[in-house]
Amino acid sequence: EAGVAQSPRYKIIEKRQSVAFWCNPISGHATLYWYQQILGQGPKLLIQFQNNGVVDDSQLPKDRFSAERLKGVDSTLKIQPAKLEDSAVYLCASGAGAHQETQYFGPGTRLLVL
Amino acid sequence: SQQGEEDPQALSIQEGENATMNCSYKTSINNLQWYRQNSGRGLVHLILIRSNEREKHSGRLRVTLDTSKKSSSLLITASRAADTASYFCATGARGAGNMLTFGGGTRLMVKP
Repeated sequence: EAGVAQSPRYKIIEKRQSVAFWCNPISGHATLYWYQQILGQGPKLLIQFQNNGVVDDSQLPKDRFSAERLKGVDSTLKIQPAKLEDSAVYLCASGAGAHQETQYFGPGTRLLVL
Repeated sequence: SQQGEEDPQALSIQEGENATMNCSYKTSINNLQWYRQNSGRGLVHLILIRSNEREKHSGRLRVTLDTSKKSSSLLITASRAADTASYFCATGARGAGNMLTFGGGTRLMVKP
């Protein structure tokens, strides 16, 4: 079974530039999550999708971050414009099981904003 | 803000020893999960314990949950160098999608 795919793996940009990350969840998983993990900290949930609808985006900085999952499968997370404090690893996860309790994580995209 | 807090933040042991990590949380939960993260890689699910369970085992892992104290512990027995990683507890909320809130993690180093 293929895991959660993310691309790119690494990205370096200058502040005020825009960047986009892509995630393809495990086939058949209805729930998709985007997390931000700052160095030395645990992951923080940014947004949660159930199929193509948003379940929770309360911690998404909506003035600069946006995410979509138009067809209910893959998803993109965009930052525009980026700030220095956005430097982090962006993790995508998808939910499995009858109650979708366990989450399966992709390898992450490491973003450095200069 | 992060719901869970792991203790200790860092732990260094010799191969063969046991490693114990603790997690405390603040609000009511549906379940508590432990994940492992190797350097520069994604998180891997280790074990899930539900709010009505007190103890669970999986191979060399033993997890306990005390909902009255809002705390959990992860015990890794007979540690190996390959167990070197960061370990995170995550609390699962009730409702659609089981949103997880992660703690800050314990960085475990197992010396060969």
